[in-house]
Amino acid sequence: GENVEQHPSTLSVQEGDSAVIKCTYSDSASNYFPWYKQELGKRPQLIIDIRSNVGEKKDQRIAVTLNKTAKHFSLHITETQPEDSAVYFCAASTGNTGNQFYFGTGTSLTVIP
Amino acid sequence: GAVVSQHPSRVICKSGTSVKIECRSLDFQATTMFWYRQFPKQSLMLMATSNEGSKATYEQGVEKDKFLINHASLTLSTLTVTSAHPEDSSFYICSAGTSGGARQYFGPGTRLTVT
Repeated sequence: GENVEQHPSTLSVQEGDSAVIKCTYSDSASNYFPWYKQELGKRPQLIIDIRSNVGEKKDQRIAVTLNKTAKHFSLHITETQPEDSAVYFCAASTGNTGNQFYFGTGTSLTVIP
Repeated sequence: GAVVSQHPSRVICKSGTSVKIECRSLDFQATTMFWYRQFPKQSLMLMATSNEGSKATYEQGVEKDKFLINHASLTLSTLTVTSAHPEDSSFYICSAGTSGGARQYFGPGTRLTVT
């Protein structure tokens, strides 16, 4: 089955700096890679996602890059703000409705004002 | 669009009793819903995949007789924790995807505390 690894487990950055979180996956059949942000006690919120036919996707301060050959993808947050502090999870899926997500172990991001 | 609700948000029950958690897709039909369990500072652990009109598929190590899942309609799945014990205390979250889409949308979660 699919195995998703995520690093680092914790990350602290100064406000305004960039944050990068990396994930690797094992199953070459995976073709959909979402990123979720979860605040304490709340639901995971989808912040960006990418399909394997695209190498990079950007939405304002957030971007995701994907290297299919190396089987890794990364989340980039620029100009970080204190409200970006949360736990971030990556996931991998074959991208079909009803197919399960395989989640990474999460990264706790703290943005220091 | 694509809103998923869960009820209750918090529940406290006594050891040995059963608790039912509801997961609803409010503005779309979901043939498949997923149930997760999340311990503090840990990732989401898939418990089971709930398919409308058929039996749920449970992940290895999850007791199907303890965690009963019913998906009777395209907008509602329920998880019943039977004979709850303190070790069942956790954050339970459901998710659902829209037809033809890869995305999953999560419910707000249910905090279960068994005393």
